[in-house]
Amino acid sequence: GAVVSQHPSRVICKSGTSVKIECRSLDFQATTMFWYRQFPKKSLMLMATSNEGSKATYEQGVEKDKFLINHASLTLSTLTVTSAHPEDSSFYICSARPRSYEQYFGPGTRLTVT
Amino acid sequence: AQSVTQPDIHITVSEGASLELRCNYSYGATPYLFWYVQSPGQGLQLLLKYFSGDTLVQGIKGFEAEFKRSQSSFNLRKPSVHWSDAAEYFCAVGAGDTGGFKTIFGAGTRLFVKA
Repeated sequence: GAVVSQHPSRVICKSGTSVKIECRSLDFQATTMFWYRQFPKKSLMLMATSNEGSKATYEQGVEKDKFLINHASLTLSTLTVTSAHPEDSSFYICSARPRSYEQYFGPGTRLTVT
Repeated sequence: AQSVTQPDIHITVSEGASLELRCNYSYGATPYLFWYVQSPGQGLQLLLKYFSGDTLVQGIKGFEAEFKRSQSSFNLRKPSVHWSDAAEYFCAVGAGDTGGFKTIFGAGTRLFVKA
């Protein structure tokens, strides 16, 4: 149980285009989902907290207009990187929380912007 | 604000040897503490967690960790390392603030296992 999927696992896009990443909780409902960014050989940096049916809460320094988060249902959250640039290339990981203090992580999405 | 420190960027141990990965946290109250493992290009897998109760917690794959409040530490241990344990290990603290409950990660420790 408690499986989280992400799609796509890898994506390459051209500079200036937008990319959408999906995060799904497959066997539980998640009122809260989190989006993290991980640079090579670095730790996970929390980007935003997404609550179903409400606006996401972004961490300091994260551009909300660039990283659009939608949490339309209890099993799906999406992260859209708008007008992507090479510096947005990174490993993006989502997690979902079925209960108060446990999180389950997706396998991550490798974004490369050329 | 809460923070997590993993002082060792990387550690190399011989297969069969014991392992201890260090983790120190900063938080005003008793936090929720986690250890995760990440293989290259993969997501995170929860090894173990501490919420309350017994300060020595057992996890998967033969790992254990001990919560020491006086030292603000939550070190991860394994008595005998296997080659398949080579990976990145992250200590994390979960705590609530005005933005809700969040999990904050340490910088990670990369474990190398030599034959």
